[in-house]
Amino acid sequence: AQSVTQLGSHVSVSEGALVLLRCNYSSSVPPYLFWYVQYPNQGLQLLLKYTSAATLVKGINGFEAEFKKSETSFHLTKPSAHMSDAAEYFCAVRGATGGGNKLTFGTGTQLKVEL
Amino acid sequence: EPEVTQTPSHQVTQMGQEVILRCVPISNHLYFYWYRQILGQKVEFLVSFYNNEISEKSEIFDDQFSVERPDGSNFTLKIRSTKLEDSAMYFCASSERLADTYEQYFGPGTRLTVT
Repeated sequence: AQSVTQLGSHVSVSEGALVLLRCNYSSSVPPYLFWYVQYPNQGLQLLLKYTSAATLVKGINGFEAEFKKSETSFHLTKPSAHMSDAAEYFCAVRGATGGGNKLTFGTGTQLKVEL
Repeated sequence: EPEVTQTPSHQVTQMGQEVILRCVPISNHLYFYWYRQILGQKVEFLVSFYNNEISEKSEIFDDQFSVERPDGSNFTLKIRSTKLEDSAMYFCASSERLADTYEQYFGPGTRLTVT
């Protein structure tokens, strides 16, 4: 069964600083990995996805993530945080062939951006 | 831009009552999903639906739950006899295809409170 673990339920950064949100996965098959963002009172919006093409994936709003098989990681980064990035971020995994199409989510990381 | 909508945004019900949560998926999408998030916990898969039948369900989705696509636009989740532990945010999602390149689009959620 696939699973993801997000380290740090709360992360606080200064505006302009690097954002690093951690996600490690466990999967018996090559995984498809996703990062979703949830702004207050809104649904989950896809930031980016890894589907076995390029290991460095660029998403919306300046975010990117790198798939590292050796570390079973898919950490989310952004070089310079903006106040509007404050939200909750979820890492999710979906099984590849034979794994079904359901998403398995991590527990989420609340990002706070301070002046 | 097309979006998934959900009604109501908040629902308060008494234990033992039936509730129906409604979703309008994106019009050309063929796959529909329900997820839930209990406060402070991770987003969990409940069920997926395709071609008018359940394609996959989790262990959470017991006989108290049912889904239906009563017409060409709505997708509903019914809980027959609510329990206190059903209190959660319920998210509907839809995707155009099953393949990995077709992301799941999420609605804003319905917050269900069982008293």
